[in-house]
Amino acid sequence: DAGVIQSPRHEVTEMGQEVTLRCKPISGHNSLFWYRQTMMRGLELLIYFNNNVPIDDSGMPEDRFSAKMPNASFSTLKIQPSEPRDSAVYFCASSFERGNQPQHFGDGTRLSIL
Amino acid sequence: GENVEQHPSTLSVQEGDSAVIKCTYSDSASNYFPWYKQELGKRPQLIIDIRSNVGEKKDQRIAVTLNKTAKHFSLHITETQPEDSAVYFCVSRLTFGEGTQLTVNP
Repeated sequence: DAGVIQSPRHEVTEMGQEVTLRCKPISGHNSLFWYRQTMMRGLELLIYFNNNVPIDDSGMPEDRFSAKMPNASFSTLKIQPSEPRDSAVYFCASSFERGNQPQHFGDGTRLSIL
Repeated sequence: GENVEQHPSTLSVQEGDSAVIKCTYSDSASNYFPWYKQELGKRPQLIIDIRSNVGEKKDQRIAVTLNKTAKHFSLHITETQPEDSAVYFCVSRLTFGEGTQLTVNP
């Protein structure tokens, strides 16, 4: 089992640029979660999908953020346009069932917006 | 939404001592309570979880207790070792607590 795979591991870009983060969940898991981690706000749930359908996106900070899950093995989180305050570590996680099963986290994407 | 409070925010113990971290939650419908350990620069990893049909669960040096009436659950680590040093998070309904930085001094 390869675990949850995220790419890129690190991203440095200038403000105003579009940023795309990618995630491949564990095969067979039907729930996928995107989190953001900062020192100030801790680990925040941004959005989660169940069976490729977005269930709760109330944690998405604003319209600059969007997430998609076109199939069971791939999800993206986009920020457009990016701002320095978006700098954080973004984690993707997957599980067998939303909220009631252990989540398996990817290694995260460390994003720096200059 | 769910509100999770975790205490203490930092905890320093001597090797071999016990450590206890406590969390309270607000949603009485919550029925699954995992704990994650995150080492510096690494991803969170599940260390133990408990469901609302049990009051206590133990795995070697780690145990979790749950009081549904009072809506709180606790993580207990016995015989702490330096490799237990990390940030620990409690979770309820996908809401993470703020984390506890545990330092085990040799």
